[in-house]
Amino acid sequence: DVKVTQSSRYLVKRTGEKVFLECVQDMDHENMFWYRQDPGLGLRLIYFSYDVKMKEKGDIPEGYSVSREKKERFSLILESASTNQTSMYLCASSPRTGGGNQPQHFGDGTRLSIL
Amino acid sequence: SQQGEEDPQALSIQEGENATMNCSYKTSINNLQWYRQNSGRGLVHLILIRSNEREKHSGRLRVTLDTSKKSSSLLITASRAADTASYFCATTRGFSGGYNKLIFGAGTRLAVHP
Repeated sequence: DVKVTQSSRYLVKRTGEKVFLECVQDMDHENMFWYRQDPGLGLRLIYFSYDVKMKEKGDIPEGYSVSREKKERFSLILESASTNQTSMYLCASSPRTGGGNQPQHFGDGTRLSIL
Repeated sequence: SQQGEEDPQALSIQEGENATMNCSYKTSINNLQWYRQNSGRGLVHLILIRSNEREKHSGRLRVTLDTSKKSSSLLITASRAADTASYFCATTRGFSGGYNKLIFGAGTRLAVHP
């Protein structure tokens, strides 16, 4: 069965810290995504990557960066964490084949609190 | 920016009843997908309907798409307590380079009571 694994379910960090969220998929998917989910706002795309070392900004990239050194791993980095980045972060992946008609597979999320 | 908007925001029904959730969107789409999210978990893909399809079934799920009205509905028949979850519609915003960018609505919270 397909699996997207996020390194932490819950994470508490302090304002100003550099925070790393890790995501690994075992499906050999080309595309990987990072979303944040806030009540009433649904999921908003932060960054996505369609190949190793490739990345594109989503709708809300400010304050975040990403890294994709290997196909299976996609990292989200909060350069200097702020309280407004407290949220649920979801990682997803999808294959490139089939164009835009492939579902995305999600991890269980990381609930991040910035104090 | 949000593309899909679900209606209602919350729905409470008894086991055995049908649940209908609606989704409206603003611009043209390639396809529309429905996802489910159990509390505190990630999203699980339920069904995808292409822009040239009008109806699709999967088990107890029935999805319709009306591109003239820019709307879709998800019907869950004979609901069970285990169907309690949030349901999201997502539209594919264009397509380029071999990847699909989804735009999600805020979701409908469904509670099914035994």
